[in-house]
Amino acid sequence: GQQVMQIPQYQHVQEGEDFTTYCNSSTTLSNIQWYKQRPGGHPVFLIQLVKSGEVKKQKRLTFQFGEAKKNSSLHITATQTTDVGTYFCAGPTFTGGGNKLTFGTGTQLKVEL
Amino acid sequence: KAGVTQTPRYLIKTRGQQVTLSCSPISGHRSVSWYQQTPGQGLQFLFEYFSETQRNKGNFPGRFSGRQFSNSRSEMNVSTLELGDSALYLCASSSSWQVANTEAFFGQGTRLTVV
Repeated sequence: GQQVMQIPQYQHVQEGEDFTTYCNSSTTLSNIQWYKQRPGGHPVFLIQLVKSGEVKKQKRLTFQFGEAKKNSSLHITATQTTDVGTYFCAGPTFTGGGNKLTFGTGTQLKVEL
Repeated sequence: KAGVTQTPRYLIKTRGQQVTLSCSPISGHRSVSWYQQTPGQGLQFLFEYFSETQRNKGNFPGRFSGRQFSNSRSEMNVSTLELGDSALYLCASSSSWQVANTEAFFGQGTRLTVV
């Protein structure tokens, strides 16, 4: 079946260091979404990318959608303790009834002072 | 406006029992999807509803069922509970006819523990 994988699974960084998580789909995606889930919380939408090669920035966060629309990345510059959480990419994958939102395996980020 | 509301927040059930979880989407949203989240399996799609019709179903046994009402509220039911059903159950709603099309708004989830 269609899969969405993320690497790394875990990342520990010192505050101030950069962080990148990579998302790879087995199929072309019409769009890619990113979500953040704080410990004990629920996923919260960060952004959606639609165009091939698209790059979007939100303050210290930079999101990219690959040219082939099969991969994406999230880069955080100068991490802060507030960045702690699990970052998921998600994209539409086709089933018999239409598209469902398939989530990547997630990257858990821990930031140490 | 109010966010997605899931009730109850926590549940403890014994094996063999059944459970019903509720989800009220954001006002005006007609598509609702359900996910099971466990440490080992991540976020797994259960099903999706739009205008009271189940549009999609994930790879879960028939013990997992759901429905959507005319006011877009949704319920999911798990019968004959097993220990492996212990998980965080998340509901999401969207302004699109299909949750995968645009931003999904998640509820805080129902933490189900089966003992």
